[in-house]
Amino acid sequence: SQQGEEDPQALSIQEGENATMNCSYKTSINNLQWYRQNSGRGLVHLILIRSNEREKHSGRLRVTLDTSKKSSSLLITASRAADTASYFCATDAGGGTSYGKLTFGQGTILTVHP
Amino acid sequence: NAGVTQTPKFQVLKTGQSMTLQCAQDMNHNSMYWYRQDPGMGLRLIYYSASEGTTDKGEVPNGYNVSRLNKREFSLRLESAAPSQTSVYFCASSAQGWGMNTEAFFGQGTRLTVV
Repeated sequence: SQQGEEDPQALSIQEGENATMNCSYKTSINNLQWYRQNSGRGLVHLILIRSNEREKHSGRLRVTLDTSKKSSSLLITASRAADTASYFCATDAGGGTSYGKLTFGQGTILTVHP
Repeated sequence: NAGVTQTPKFQVLKTGQSMTLQCAQDMNHNSMYWYRQDPGMGLRLIYYSASEGTTDKGEVPNGYNVSRLNKREFSLRLESAAPSQTSVYFCASSAQGWGMNTEAFFGQGTRLTVV
């Protein structure tokens, strides 16, 4: 089964609104990462948050991590039509040779209407 | 700087045929991965290689074999393709190491159809 589960599965908003996506996971992690995938393309890394961090910002992105609840959220502020894509959380459980081995959630499809 | 390069981009196979998906990275990364992506399933790890000369099974390894040819190249082989292997395949690499927190870089994917 997938380590990361995302919610909602699909999100439709208007340009300028904020978009929030949530991710839950099952086991302890070394870090949690968010990726973006445009239709028909490869995944692109957005942001990484370590297990000892609670919040991180990158431009219009804000990620939070609650290790006690095994959950994370990605907030995209002031969304643009170009933000339309699928967003995936991925967990790195770490440990031995497993460092860097990412387990992905099923993704949230974000549609931003102009 | 090409990053992660996969070939081919598209492929149609008949059931029972074999093929090898090629992947190369030019970032001097230790770790390389093969994922498959199916609708509604996200990405699932097939095999990974933590360093040159080592490979390990991921979540869905059945029906696949891999070769870490050198530090740059990691190939995925389907010995006898089945319709259930119709999917989009992604290769990725990362600078993995003890205590490191690094991102993965992905190729553009190979869209494989088995008929």
